[in-house]
Amino acid sequence: GDSVTQMEGPVTLSEEAFLTINCTYTATGYPSLFWYVQYPGEGLQLLLKATKADDKGSNKGFEATYRKETTSFHLEKGSVQVSDSAVYFCALKTSYDKVIFGPGTSLSVIP
Amino acid sequence: NAGVTQTPKFQVLKTGQSMTLQCAQDMNHEYMSWYRQDPGMGLRLIHYSVGAGITDQGEVPNGYNVSRSTTEDFPLRLLSAAPSQTSVYFCASKQSRSGNTIYFGEGSWLTVV
Repeated sequence: GDSVTQMEGPVTLSEEAFLTINCTYTATGYPSLFWYVQYPGEGLQLLLKATKADDKGSNKGFEATYRKETTSFHLEKGSVQVSDSAVYFCALKTSYDKVIFGPGTSLSVIP
Repeated sequence: NAGVTQTPKFQVLKTGQSMTLQCAQDMNHEYMSWYRQDPGMGLRLIHYSVGAGITDQGEVPNGYNVSRSTTEDFPLRLLSAAPSQTSVYFCASKQSRSGNTIYFGEGSWLTVV
């Protein structure tokens, strides 16, 4: 069945470090892919998206490229800040509009 | 700029009690849904609605009821609370079933003792 797998957390980085959070998926057809972010005590909000293969989504210095050949959508940021501390969820929307979320990866950035 | 509003933010229930989590959106979205968030499991869909008067079950519907009498409101009812329903609940909406961007409420923390 359709599924999303994310790297295990928690991830702890120093400020200005490079961030990668891995995400791979299993889905039939051509899903759309998303990263959502959840700051402490808040609901999830859309961070970026890509709707077809080779698309790159970007927002707030974060990027992710839709790689159909490796079924991946890894999240990257060149220099993290303390304010990036949050839980990050990879998600997909299948061709029949079902949305599936990964388990989330907690990121802590220390000064 | 209200977006999706859900209440209450925190609630403690005794086993067997019933309660309703309220959810309202002011974006005229057709599609609304309820998720529960549990550690290590991401978000799981409980129920959803594609428009007023139409509801359907998600992945984990047992123990919950919903109704959609208006476009704006989508309450979630716990019929007889159980400790397994201790979780964080999120109401969400999007423009339509095929819409890409989901808008979430701030969450309701429910503890069943």
